[in-house]
Amino acid sequence: GENVEQHPSTLSVQEGDSAVIKCTYSDSASNYFPWYKQELGKRPQLIIDIRSNVGEKKDQRIAVTLNKTAKHFSLHITETQPEDSAVYFCAAPRNTNAGKSTFGDGTTLTVKP
Amino acid sequence: SAVISQKPSRDICQRGTSLTIQCQVDSQVTMMFWYRQQPGQSLTLIATANQGSEATYESGFVIDKFPISRPNLTFSTLTVSNLSPEDSSIYLCSVTIGGSGFDQPQHFGDGTRLSIL
Repeated sequence: GENVEQHPSTLSVQEGDSAVIKCTYSDSASNYFPWYKQELGKRPQLIIDIRSNVGEKKDQRIAVTLNKTAKHFSLHITETQPEDSAVYFCAAPRNTNAGKSTFGDGTTLTVKP
Repeated sequence: SAVISQKPSRDICQRGTSLTIQCQVDSQVTMMFWYRQQPGQSLTLIATANQGSEATYESGFVIDKFPISRPNLTFSTLTVSNLSPEDSSIYLCSVTIGGSGFDQPQHFGDGTRLSIL
């Protein structure tokens, strides 16, 4: 089955700095890589995703890069703001008959003003 | 996207009882899933709810403990049976729209916070 490792587990940055979170996966058949943000007491929400046919995708201050050869993808947040503080989860789901949605363990990002 | 209503938002139950959680979506969706999230932990998939047939359970989860129904394309229930303190957790439903499975963004309900006395 799929194994997703996410690092770091906690990350503290100063407001305005950049934050990078990395995930590695094991199943080469995975072709869709989303990132979810979960604020305290709230539901997880998709913030950006990437498919295997591209290497990078950007949306304002957020970007995701994918290296299929090395089987890892990363979330990049630039010019961080206090409202970016949350838990971030990567996922590397694989579409199989049995179904499998594997999430990373999460990264708690704290942006200090 | 879809508007997902999950009920109840929280409950406190006695050991040995059962709790049924409902997930209602305002539009037809492709797939519906049930997750468990323990405090400070990641999301663990319990099962995929299949319309009109038995749910597909992940390793470690069984139908007797977590019976699931999905009578149509917009509604599903998860029952947590024979409750024990280890079942204290947040349970979330999620849906995908379009596509054929996990290759689409998931939209989550607000979750049900379950505590067992």
